[in-house]
Amino acid sequence: DIQMTQSPSSLSASVGDRVTITCRASQSISSSLNWYQQKPGKAPKLLIYGASILQSGAPSRFSGSGSGTDFTLTISNLQPEDFSTYYCQQSHNPPLTFGGGTRVEVK
Amino acid sequence: QVQLVESGGGLVKPGGSLRLSCATSGFTFSDNYMTWIRQAPGKGLEWVSYISGGGATIYYADSVKGRFTISRDNAKNSLYLQMNSLRVEDTAVYYCATYRGSYATSGYYYYYMDVWGKGTTVTVSS
Repeated sequence: DIQMTQSPSSLSASVGDRVTITCRASQSISSSLNWYQQKPGKAPKLLIYGASILQSGAPSRFSGSGSGTDFTLTISNLQPEDFSTYYCQQSHNPPLTFGGGTRVEVK
Repeated sequence: QVQLVESGGGLVKPGGSLRLSCATSGFTFSDNYMTWIRQAPGKGLEWVSYISGGGATIYYADSVKGRFTISRDNAKNSLYLQMNSLRVEDTAVYYCATYRGSYATSGYYYYYMDVWGKGTTVTVSS
């Protein structure tokens, strides 16, 4: 099974900051990597798929990069509505697996 | 618009059974893979199972294999999860989601969970 490791598990940031979250796969997953945002009590929302393709409707301040085993999600100019938990997920092979999540909190 | 509504959650004793349903609308259900994901209280997301549009391809997480069965009724645009031999550690919010894909400009085809229901809560406790 492919293990997904996210870091950090939490971070504190301020509005306007640039935030970077990393996700590492235990083996190469090409670019089959998705990012989701989840707010408390709500279902996750797809932000990025194929490692770097912005989902329709997702704000352009979100961007993704990477391939193989190392990936990043970047939020430029952090907005108040971006304080959430973010998950990476590989769709390269079943079983599908998620990273442990990164909670972005107010500094 | 695309809508997914889960139902069937509740309180059940260890060893018991429960059947979750996911009613869908707004898209061609039979053309799409569907998936179940769960989230234990205060924990991260855990993929449970997925099923292809026609039902021929099915995968399960090891944690539920042999106890849970995913199925679908394309005539009713509905997805199901039969959960047997429930354990305390199955306590979670269960989400259904579309598992769809699209071609990137690179020519590669990528799958993702793009539409989610609001979830239904399953509590396994004596």
